[in-house]
Amino acid sequence: AQKVTQAQTEISVVEKEDVTLDCVYETRDTTYYLFWYKQPPSGELVFLIRRNSFDEQNEISGRYSWNFQKSTSSFNFTITASQVVDSAVYFCALSVRRAGSYQLTFGKGTKLSVIP
Amino acid sequence: SAVISQKPSRDICQRGTSLTIQCQVDSQVTMMFWYRQQPGQSLTLIATANQGSEATYESGFVIDKFPISRPNLTFSTLTVSNMSPEDSSIYLCSGSGTGGGTDTQYFGPGTRLTVL
Repeated sequence: AQKVTQAQTEISVVEKEDVTLDCVYETRDTTYYLFWYKQPPSGELVFLIRRNSFDEQNEISGRYSWNFQKSTSSFNFTITASQVVDSAVYFCALSVRRAGSYQLTFGKGTKLSVIP
Repeated sequence: SAVISQKPSRDICQRGTSLTIQCQVDSQVTMMFWYRQQPGQSLTLIATANQGSEATYESGFVIDKFPISRPNLTFSTLTVSNMSPEDSSIYLCSGSGTGGGTDTQYFGPGTRLTVL
């Protein structure tokens, strides 16, 4: 079975601080995908990034960066110079192929509050 | 990516009634899914909506309670039947298989349901 653990339930930072959101996953599949989604207070789920299990290159997109380490089964997300608009719940998710489709398993989410 | 819309965006319903939620995708997608997000919780997959055939339900979810239709590749409905206050949740649909990889799911804005 697949499992995603986001140990940080809630984090508060002051604007312009850097913050890292942790994600640890478990799967026996060798082919899988990892995702981060953002859920602002309005409720929609916004796709941020997808990584496949064969690509351990770290990725940077503006103030966002992701660190994927298979050795520790982690896929951490860092926001640099946080802003109030970053306040949201962030979900890490794992996708494996089952019965012809890719099914997502979500972590419990980390609620990030950025204080002005 | 796919742009997904849902109707209604929110509703307040009485116990014992039913509500049908519509999900529309702006392009053809291979897979469509329905999720439930109970207050303060993560997302739980209800079912995979199959075009022209019965949906595939996850453990704990049954067709009598959550009938799903998917008449074509861009539209699906979820009905929450005989509602109780425990059904108060956000219901989200997602789609995947738009050409950017069958594994990335894009989500609609969600339907916030309150059952009194």
